Amino acid sequence: EVQLVESGGGLVKPGGSLRLSCAASGFTFSSYSMNWVRQAPGKGLEWVSSISSSSSYIYYADSVKGRFTISRDNAKNSLYLQMNSLRAEDTAVYYCARILSYGDVSWFDPWGQGTLVTVSS
Amino acid sequence: SYVLTQPPSVSVAPGQTARITCGGNNIGSKSVHWYQQKPGQAPVLVVYDDSDRPSGIPERFSGSNSGNTATLTISRVEAGDEADYYCQVWDSSSAHVVFGGGTKLTVL
Repeated sequence: EVQLVESGGGLVKPGGSLRLSCAASGFTFSSYSMNWVRQAPGKGLEWVSSISSSSSYIYYADSVKGRFTISRDNAKNSLYLQMNSLRAEDTAVYYCARILSYGDVSWFDPWGQGTLVTVSS
Repeated sequence: SYVLTQPPSVSVAPGQTARITCGGNNIGSKSVHWYQQKPGQAPVLVVYDDSDRPSGIPERFSGSNSGNTATLTISRVEAGDEADYYCQVWDSSSAHVVFGGGTKLTVL
Protein backbone atom coordinates (compact mmCIF):
# COMPACT_ATOMS: atom_id res chain seq x y z
CA GLU A 1 0.00 0.00 0.00
CA VAL A 2 1.31 3.43 -0.94
CA GLN A 3 1.57 5.52 2.22
CA LEU A 4 2.81 8.96 3.20
CA VAL A 5 3.14 9.97 6.85
CA GLU A 6 3.99 13.52 7.85
CA SER A 7 5.51 14.56 11.16
CA GLY A 8 7.22 17.50 12.78
CA GLY A 9 4.33 19.92 13.14
CA GLY A 10 3.68 21.89 16.29
CA LEU A 11 3.48 25.29 17.91
CA VAL A 12 6.24 27.77 17.07
CA LYS A 13 6.69 31.48 17.75
CA PRO A 14 6.78 34.02 14.91
CA GLY A 15 10.26 34.18 13.46
CA GLY A 16 10.99 30.64 14.55
CA SER A 17 11.86 27.54 12.56
CA LEU A 18 10.42 24.06 12.11
CA ARG A 19 11.34 21.04 10.02
CA LEU A 20 8.64 18.81 8.63
CA SER A 21 9.24 15.25 7.50
CA CYS A 22 7.27 12.91 5.26
CA ALA A 23 8.00 9.19 5.39
CA ALA A 24 7.10 7.29 2.22
CA SER A 25 6.43 3.57 1.83
CA GLY A 26 4.85 1.16 -0.62
CA PHE A 27 6.47 2.58 -3.76
CA THR A 28 9.90 3.36 -5.22
CA PHE A 29 10.34 6.78 -3.62
CA SER A 30 13.43 7.67 -5.66
CA SER A 31 11.43 7.47 -8.91
CA TYR A 32 8.87 10.14 -8.07
CA SER A 33 8.74 13.88 -7.67
CA MET A 34 7.14 15.02 -4.45
CA ASN A 35 5.56 18.12 -3.05
CA TRP A 36 4.12 19.98 -0.11
CA VAL A 37 0.68 21.57 -0.07
CA ARG A 38 -0.80 23.46 2.87
CA GLN A 39 -4.27 24.42 4.03
CA ALA A 40 -4.89 27.26 6.49
CA PRO A 41 -7.77 26.71 8.92
CA GLY A 42 -11.07 26.98 7.05
CA LYS A 43 -9.32 27.88 3.80
CA GLY A 44 -8.50 26.21 0.50
CA LEU A 45 -5.45 24.30 -0.70
CA GLU A 46 -2.23 26.22 -1.36
CA TRP A 47 0.74 24.68 -3.14
CA VAL A 48 4.02 25.25 -1.27
CA SER A 49 6.89 23.49 -3.05
CA SER A 50 7.85 20.64 -5.38
CA ILE A 51 11.04 18.65 -5.85
CA SER A 52 11.99 16.26 -8.64
CA SER A 53 13.07 12.68 -8.05
CA SER A 54 16.79 13.45 -8.04
CA SER A 55 16.42 16.93 -6.51
CA SER A 56 17.51 18.49 -9.80
CA TYR A 57 14.40 20.63 -10.09
CA ILE A 58 12.90 22.55 -7.18
CA TYR A 59 10.03 25.02 -7.24
CA TYR A 60 8.51 27.27 -4.57
CA ALA A 61 5.38 29.34 -4.19
CA ASP A 62 6.13 33.05 -4.03
CA SER A 63 4.73 33.18 -0.49
CA VAL A 64 7.48 30.91 0.90
CA LYS A 65 10.42 31.47 -1.45
CA GLY A 66 13.53 32.43 0.49
CA ARG A 67 12.11 31.15 3.79
CA PHE A 68 11.31 27.48 3.13
CA THR A 69 13.61 24.79 1.75
CA ILE A 70 12.40 21.49 0.33
CA SER A 71 14.73 18.50 0.27
CA ARG A 72 14.67 14.72 0.14
CA ASP A 73 16.74 11.72 1.13
CA ASN A 74 16.06 8.88 -1.29
CA ALA A 75 18.07 6.44 0.84
CA LYS A 76 15.68 7.10 3.73
CA ASN A 77 12.51 7.38 1.60
CA SER A 78 11.90 10.75 3.16
CA LEU A 79 10.84 14.24 2.11
CA TYR A 80 11.52 17.34 4.19
CA LEU A 81 10.43 20.95 4.48
CA GLN A 82 12.66 23.30 6.44
CA MET A 83 10.61 26.34 7.43
CA ASN A 84 12.39 29.46 8.67
CA SER A 85 11.23 32.97 9.56
CA LEU A 86 7.76 31.63 10.23
CA ARG A 87 4.79 34.00 10.21
CA ALA A 88 1.27 33.76 11.55
CA GLU A 89 0.01 33.30 8.00
CA ASP A 90 2.06 30.09 7.70
CA THR A 91 -0.33 28.46 10.18
CA ALA A 92 -1.83 25.52 8.32
CA VAL A 93 -2.05 21.78 7.92
CA TYR A 94 0.87 20.73 5.73
CA TYR A 95 0.37 17.77 3.41
CA CYS A 96 2.99 15.90 1.43
CA ALA A 97 1.84 14.30 -1.81
CA ARG A 98 3.38 12.15 -4.51
CA ILE A 99 3.49 13.68 -7.97
CA LEU A 100 2.38 11.60 -10.94
CA SER A 101 3.28 13.14 -14.25
CA TYR A 102 4.07 12.95 -17.92
CA GLY A 103 5.51 15.78 -19.96
CA ASP A 104 4.17 19.08 -18.64
CA VAL A 105 1.24 17.46 -16.85
CA SER A 106 1.34 16.56 -13.16
CA TRP A 107 -1.16 15.62 -10.49
CA PHE A 108 -0.96 14.48 -6.87
CA ASP A 109 -1.77 11.01 -5.56
CA PRO A 110 -1.79 10.00 -2.80
CA TRP A 111 -1.66 12.60 -0.04
CA GLY A 112 -0.51 12.12 3.53
CA GLN A 113 -2.80 12.79 6.47
CA GLY A 114 -1.15 16.13 7.16
CA THR A 115 0.65 17.75 10.08
CA LEU A 116 -0.50 20.95 11.78
CA VAL A 117 1.84 23.90 12.09
CA THR A 118 0.72 26.75 14.36
CA VAL A 119 2.67 29.99 14.41
CA SER A 120 1.71 32.05 17.43
CA SER A 121 3.28 33.90 20.32
CA SER B 1 0.00 34.44 -12.38
CA TYR B 2 -2.61 31.97 -13.55
CA VAL B 3 -5.92 32.03 -11.70
CA LEU B 4 -8.55 29.30 -11.38
CA THR B 5 -12.08 30.33 -10.39
CA GLN B 6 -14.60 27.98 -8.79
CA PRO B 7 -18.08 28.72 -7.43
CA PRO B 8 -17.99 28.69 -3.60
CA SER B 9 -20.90 26.30 -3.35
CA VAL B 10 -23.10 23.95 -5.34
CA SER B 11 -26.22 22.23 -4.02
CA VAL B 12 -27.96 19.21 -5.49
CA ALA B 13 -30.61 16.69 -4.45
CA PRO B 14 -29.69 13.03 -4.07
CA GLY B 15 -29.86 11.15 -7.36
CA GLN B 16 -29.41 14.30 -9.43
CA THR B 17 -26.32 15.49 -11.33
CA ALA B 18 -23.85 17.98 -9.86
CA ARG B 19 -21.64 20.07 -12.08
CA ILE B 20 -18.71 21.96 -10.58
CA THR B 21 -16.90 24.39 -12.82
CA CYS B 22 -13.33 25.64 -12.86
CA GLY B 23 -12.65 28.71 -14.94
CA GLY B 24 -9.31 29.89 -16.26
CA ASN B 25 -7.89 31.72 -19.26
CA ASN B 26 -7.75 29.16 -22.08
CA ILE B 27 -7.87 26.37 -19.51
CA GLY B 28 -8.76 24.01 -22.34
CA SER B 29 -5.08 24.07 -23.35
CA LYS B 30 -4.05 22.72 -19.94
CA SER B 31 -4.65 19.43 -18.16
CA VAL B 32 -6.99 19.77 -15.18
CA HIS B 33 -7.12 17.56 -12.12
CA TRP B 34 -9.80 17.34 -9.42
CA TYR B 35 -9.61 16.49 -5.72
CA GLN B 36 -12.30 15.67 -3.19
CA GLN B 37 -11.79 16.62 0.45
CA LYS B 38 -14.15 15.57 3.20
CA PRO B 39 -14.08 17.31 6.60
CA GLY B 40 -11.01 16.43 8.64
CA GLN B 41 -9.52 14.31 5.87
CA ALA B 42 -6.75 14.69 3.30
CA PRO B 43 -7.66 15.44 -0.32
CA VAL B 44 -8.28 12.49 -2.64
CA LEU B 45 -7.74 12.53 -6.40
CA VAL B 46 -11.02 11.86 -8.25
CA VAL B 47 -10.22 12.93 -11.83
CA TYR B 48 -6.87 13.55 -13.54
CA ASP B 49 -5.80 14.75 -16.96
CA ASP B 50 -9.21 16.34 -17.61
CA SER B 51 -11.27 13.16 -17.68
CA ASP B 52 -9.42 10.09 -16.41
CA ARG B 53 -10.43 8.35 -13.19
CA PRO B 54 -8.00 6.74 -10.74
CA SER B 55 -8.74 3.16 -9.80
CA GLY B 56 -11.37 2.95 -7.09
CA ILE B 57 -13.19 6.14 -8.10
CA PRO B 58 -16.78 5.45 -9.19
CA GLU B 59 -17.78 5.99 -12.81
CA ARG B 60 -20.25 8.56 -11.53
CA PHE B 61 -17.31 11.00 -11.44
CA SER B 62 -16.32 12.43 -14.82
CA GLY B 63 -14.54 15.48 -16.16
CA SER B 64 -14.38 17.65 -19.24
CA ASN B 65 -12.32 20.64 -20.31
CA SER B 66 -12.77 23.09 -23.16
CA GLY B 67 -12.27 26.75 -23.86
CA ASN B 68 -12.18 28.69 -20.59
CA THR B 69 -14.00 26.16 -18.41
CA ALA B 70 -13.29 22.73 -16.98
CA THR B 71 -16.13 20.81 -15.37
CA LEU B 72 -16.34 18.01 -12.82
CA THR B 73 -19.61 16.13 -13.20
CA ILE B 74 -20.96 13.86 -10.49
CA SER B 75 -23.91 11.73 -11.64
CA ARG B 76 -26.48 10.14 -9.36
CA VAL B 77 -25.20 12.14 -6.41
CA GLU B 78 -25.12 10.39 -3.04
CA ALA B 79 -24.96 11.79 0.48
CA GLY B 80 -21.38 10.53 0.72
CA ASP B 81 -20.33 12.85 -2.11
CA GLU B 82 -20.80 15.88 0.13
CA ALA B 83 -17.33 17.45 0.30
CA ASP B 84 -15.11 20.26 -0.92
CA TYR B 85 -13.82 19.87 -4.47
CA TYR B 86 -10.69 21.54 -5.85
CA CYS B 87 -9.40 21.84 -9.41
CA GLN B 88 -5.65 22.04 -10.10
CA VAL B 89 -3.34 22.75 -13.02
CA TRP B 90 0.36 23.18 -13.63
CA ASP B 91 1.18 26.64 -14.95
CA SER B 92 4.29 26.11 -17.02
CA SER B 93 4.85 29.83 -17.59
CA SER B 94 5.43 30.43 -13.88
CA ALA B 95 6.48 26.89 -12.92
CA HIS B 96 3.79 26.96 -10.26
CA VAL B 97 1.05 24.58 -9.25
CA VAL B 98 -2.30 26.36 -9.12
CA PHE B 99 -5.41 25.32 -7.18
CA GLY B 100 -8.89 26.70 -7.55
CA GLY B 101 -10.48 28.20 -4.46
CA GLY B 102 -12.64 25.13 -3.88
CA THR B 103 -16.35 24.36 -4.14
CA LYS B 104 -18.44 23.03 -1.29
CA LEU B 105 -20.90 20.44 -2.59
CA THR B 106 -24.01 20.15 -0.46
CA VAL B 107 -26.39 17.23 -0.93
CA LEU B 108 -29.85 18.43 -0.01
